[in-house]
Amino acid sequence: AQSVTQLGSHVSVSEGALVLLRCNYSSSVPPYLFWYVQYPNQGLQLLLKYTSAATLVKGINGFEAEFKKSETSFHLTKPSAHMSDAAEYFCAVSGPGANSKLTFGKGITLSVRP
Amino acid sequence: GAVVSQHPSRVICKSGTSVKIECRSLDFQATTMFWYRQFPKKSLMLMATSNEGSKATYEQGVEKDKFLINHASLTLSTLTVTSAHPEDSSFYICSATPLQGGLYEQYFGPGTRLTVT
Repeated sequence: AQSVTQLGSHVSVSEGALVLLRCNYSSSVPPYLFWYVQYPNQGLQLLLKYTSAATLVKGINGFEAEFKKSETSFHLTKPSAHMSDAAEYFCAVSGPGANSKLTFGKGITLSVRP
Repeated sequence: GAVVSQHPSRVICKSGTSVKIECRSLDFQATTMFWYRQFPKKSLMLMATSNEGSKATYEQGVEKDKFLINHASLTLSTLTVTSAHPEDSSFYICSATPLQGGLYEQYFGPGTRLTVT
């Protein structure tokens, strides 16, 4: 069984500030981990993924995440927030199979203040 | 590459009618397609997993007779909401996994907003 916990539902940062969105997972098998972003009334766009290679994963738009097995975490960070980063962010976990189901966290809304 | 489209993007139908939503992988072949439902300000709920040429696998609590899924080819899956009711109003999103393995990720469509009046 797999699950994802995203604590809090809303994070607000100032433009230029550090973005930190937390994700903890639970998995009975080696996990594959993903961060997706969703803009209003749109589908999901993959930001980055961890698939058992390097533990520090760099994604699009300046985002990165670090897989920490000991902490069962996969937190998403960006050094400097931009107004265009305001969106809904979802962390997800799947098993190692190519067609494994994704289990999503409940999502976090990121707001960026001017 | 790896583009998934959905049609229609928005549909309004009357209660009791059926509506079909198409999900297409435009530039790759998909072994598996997934259908999700998303309520306002909520996460995605997996409804079913669809494999080409076989019956879909539905998640617990999802009515298979109400949400008919057909995966007739490696690039097309359809979701038909039968006898729709206002409580079926939602945002439906599909995703597809490429036939060529190793990517271990799903590519998502832009979603379909269904409103049942």
